[in-house]
Amino acid sequence: SAVISQKPSRDICQRGTSLTIQCQVDSQVTMMFWYRQQPGQSLTLIATANQGSEATYESGFVIDKFPISRPNLTFSTLTVSNMSPEDSSIYLCSVVAGGFNEQFFGPGTRLTVL
Amino acid sequence: AQSVTQLGSHVSVSEGALVLLRCNYSSSVPPYLFWYVQYPNQGLQLLLKYTSAATLVKGINGFEAEFKKSETSFHLTKPSAHMSDAAEYFCAVSFTGGGNKLTFGTGTQLKVEL
Repeated sequence: SAVISQKPSRDICQRGTSLTIQCQVDSQVTMMFWYRQQPGQSLTLIATANQGSEATYESGFVIDKFPISRPNLTFSTLTVSNMSPEDSSIYLCSVVAGGFNEQFFGPGTRLTVL
Repeated sequence: AQSVTQLGSHVSVSEGALVLLRCNYSSSVPPYLFWYVQYPNQGLQLLLKYTSAATLVKGINGFEAEFKKSETSFHLTKPSAHMSDAAEYFCAVSFTGGGNKLTFGTGTQLKVEL
């Protein structure tokens, strides 16, 4: 398994600003992902955070809006840029640790945009 | 393409009653299947996983699920519900060669009543 922490746990931001979310894992992992969970909804994959290269984004998500860094095998950041109220969601990072594509999730960052 | 369907966005049971949460999947290749639980204001916790080793899978907190290929189902059950089981439950599918990505169902909110 893996223990994952995220910072901040929650934030309230103004429209037009940006927020960077940090994800820290207690062990080195190859695969790390970022998800969005809109209010009352399921999880949607934003991107795969690749160590040493650009993140791989899912359809509907772009680097300009959600830039991701992955400087090493234990840490990643997701930035939500030029925020609007529609970006109000829970953002979760996850890692693959163990076999069979098993993913472990961080506690999430609850973002409210006013 | 793979997908997951969870029947019933809300399920209500009495304390001590059987819990049955339904999940059907679609996958063109042998899948890995997972059930996650999300308690209020928390991240996702893995309940159990199917990886083809056994069709009946036992997880944490007394939950289990049975993989039925003929029905393309992976329903989650617990013989006796407890108040602490009230949470959101997500079924997810992955497969070898899929980049470790998880596709989530829309979730089922479980309510346990006295």
